[in-house]
Amino acid sequence: SQQGEEDPQALSIQEGENATMNCSYKTSINNLQWYRQNSGRGLVHLILIRSNEREKHSGRLRVTLDTSKKSSSLLITASRAADTASYFCAETSGSRLTFGEGTQLTVNP
Amino acid sequence: EAQVTQNPRYLITVTGKKLTVTCSQNMNHEYMSWYRQDPGLGLRQIYYSMNVEVTDKGDVPEGYKVSRKEKRNFPLILESPSPNQTSLYFCASSRTGLTSTDTQYFGPGTRLTVL
Repeated sequence: SQQGEEDPQALSIQEGENATMNCSYKTSINNLQWYRQNSGRGLVHLILIRSNEREKHSGRLRVTLDTSKKSSSLLITASRAADTASYFCAETSGSRLTFGEGTQLTVNP
Repeated sequence: EAQVTQNPRYLITVTGKKLTVTCSQNMNHEYMSWYRQDPGLGLRQIYYSMNVEVTDKGDVPEGYKVSRKEKRNFPLILESPSPNQTSLYFCASSRTGLTSTDTQYFGPGTRLTVL
C-alpha cells in the first residue's frame, strides 16, 4: 500500500519559534492522525482530525486538513526544547492505519 | 494504569530460531495491531486484529504469524526469523477498529536483532 509523505524530513529551529510540518496522503481517509515519537520509544497520539473537519486545535498544536489536496499540516507554536522528537502523520482508511516516514524536529534551547 | 506492554524489550537471536513477542493491553480494546519501524521506511503495519479470532494482513505480513485467542493478548510469532526482520517492533491497540474517532495506544517497542 502507499504511505503518506512528510515534509520536511528534518527541521531545526530555536526555542520559541513555530514549527510547521506537512503531510500528504494518497487514500480516501476516515481521519488523519498525528503522533509523536521520542527517540526509540513508542508513539504517542497527539491529535486527530476527521475527514469532514478543516482545522483543529489542541493546546499549542494546530492541525489543518485539505482533502482536495490530500494534505495536512501540523503547527507547533512557541516551541520548547522538550518538543524535540519525530512527528508522524497517519491516515486511517477502513481498518488500516498507514504512517508517513516522519519529520525529525529539533528545538534548540 | 492503562497501557500496552510488550515483551521482551530487546532480543538478539539467530536465523531460523522461532521466537514470539508478546503484547498485552489492559484497556479491553477490540483492535490490536503490530508494526515494524525501519530507518527511512517509517512504520509499516504487519498484522491487525479487529477482535478475538479475527486477524488480517497488513502491508508487510510475510514471515510473521499472529493469533488472537484472548482479547487482551496479541502475540507476534516469527517461525523462522531472518536478518531482514531485524527491526523495531510496536504493538498498538484501540477501542474499536479505527472508526472516525479512535486513536491507537502504542507499546514501548521491541528491538529485535536477527544474526
